[in-house]
Amino acid sequence: NAGVTQTPKFQVLKTGQSMTLQCAQDMNHEYMSWYRQDPGMGLRLIHYSVGAGITDQGEVPNGYNVSRSTTEDFPLRLLSAAPSQTSVYFCASKPGAYNEQFFGPGTRLTVL
Amino acid sequence: DQQVKQNSPSLSVQEGRISILNCDYTNSMFDYFLWYKKYPAEGPTFLISISSIKDKNEDGRFTVFLNKSAKHLSLHIVPSQPGDSAVYFCAASAESGGSNYKLTFGKGTLLTVNP
Repeated sequence: NAGVTQTPKFQVLKTGQSMTLQCAQDMNHEYMSWYRQDPGMGLRLIHYSVGAGITDQGEVPNGYNVSRSTTEDFPLRLLSAAPSQTSVYFCASKPGAYNEQFFGPGTRLTVL
Repeated sequence: DQQVKQNSPSLSVQEGRISILNCDYTNSMFDYFLWYKKYPAEGPTFLISISSIKDKNEDGRFTVFLNKSAKHLSLHIVPSQPGDSAVYFCAASAESGGSNYKLTFGKGTLLTVNP
């Protein structure tokens, strides 16, 4: 199993550009989520999904969209990037009965 | 309003000694607690967890203690090794509230174990 994979590893955007951060897992986990990590802030939940076709907002959802058309994939879309979205983004997944989430390696995004 | 607090940004210990990392929480709905370890340029990896029905959980060199009345938990690493040097995040979820997929993280503590 590859576990949770994220692409790209690094990305630089200009203000106003859009992009999609990819996340995939091959463990057949029901739950997937996106977090961002900022210096001195820990990890904060952006959006999450409890299954294909079901998504909901987390703590800091503004400026981000998600969809879950398959169990395996959970992309995060930035519609119009802003410098405040400069961060490291982590995708995570877990099976329904467990509390422990498995994290991907992260995407470091810089918005100029 | 920070619901999970790790008040020590950093901790330095000697190899072989005990490392104690602390975490406090304010939300009474939290009933499941996890510790994650994070190396630079990698994602967090799960280390150990504890349910609120317990006050202690051990896994090898790692032990987590939970004091519900004080809303406090701690992670003990004995003996500490240089490879334990990383950022440790405390996280909490409200399992009985149906939110076991939403983790609330503390800001993390950077542990440095000196040879």
